[in-house]
Amino acid sequence: NAGVTQTPKFRILKIGQSMTLQCTQDMNHNYMYWYRQDPGMGLKLIYYSVGAGITDKGEVPNGYNVSRSTTEDFPLRLELAAPSQTSVYFCASSYGGRGGDEKLFFGSGTQLSVL
Amino acid sequence: QKEVEQDPGPLSVPEGAIVSLNCTYSNSAFQYFMWYRQYSRKGPELLMYTYSSGNKEDGRFTAQVDKSSKYISLFIRDSQPSDSATYLCAMKAYSGAGSYQLTFGKGTKLSVIP
Repeated sequence: NAGVTQTPKFRILKIGQSMTLQCTQDMNHNYMYWYRQDPGMGLKLIYYSVGAGITDKGEVPNGYNVSRSTTEDFPLRLELAAPSQTSVYFCASSYGGRGGDEKLFFGSGTQLSVL
Repeated sequence: QKEVEQDPGPLSVPEGAIVSLNCTYSNSAFQYFMWYRQYSRKGPELLMYTYSSGNKEDGRFTAQVDKSSKYISLFIRDSQPSDSATYLCAMKAYSGAGSYQLTFGKGTKLSVIP
């Protein structure tokens, strides 16, 4: 199994450009998440989805959008890139939902620089 | 005061040493406690998971939770160079409607020197 696959691995954007970070999982997990990880700041939840067609905001959603048309895919859209969005982005999925014993499976990340 | 505090390190130890990694927290509603390991340029992976106070052992790793002190630890015995990674603590509190909110520490970067 491939698990959680993210593309691209690296990207440089100019201020104001747009892009979509792709995430797909082959574990038939209902729950999917997008996190950002800034140096020394830990992981912050951007958006999450509990199933196809259902999404909700996390802790830091401003400047991002998501969609969930299928169980497998959960793309993250940046509409007007800003330097503050320079970060490493991780997609994750889980089978048990947001319950206490839920285990997250993470992708390898997308390193994004906005210049 | 931040909900979860974790010393970012870096921590450097010789091979074979016992490593102690720690997190403190302020939210008494946290019920589940996890340790994730993150290798360079990789996503985090779940290493240990505990629910109650006390110790949980898995091979060379021991997770310890002290709810009365709001303190959790991860011990690594006989540390190996392959243990070199960033270790993130994570905690969950019930947020209603059957859901839990997950909060991560900032991570401690560990280097095990051969």
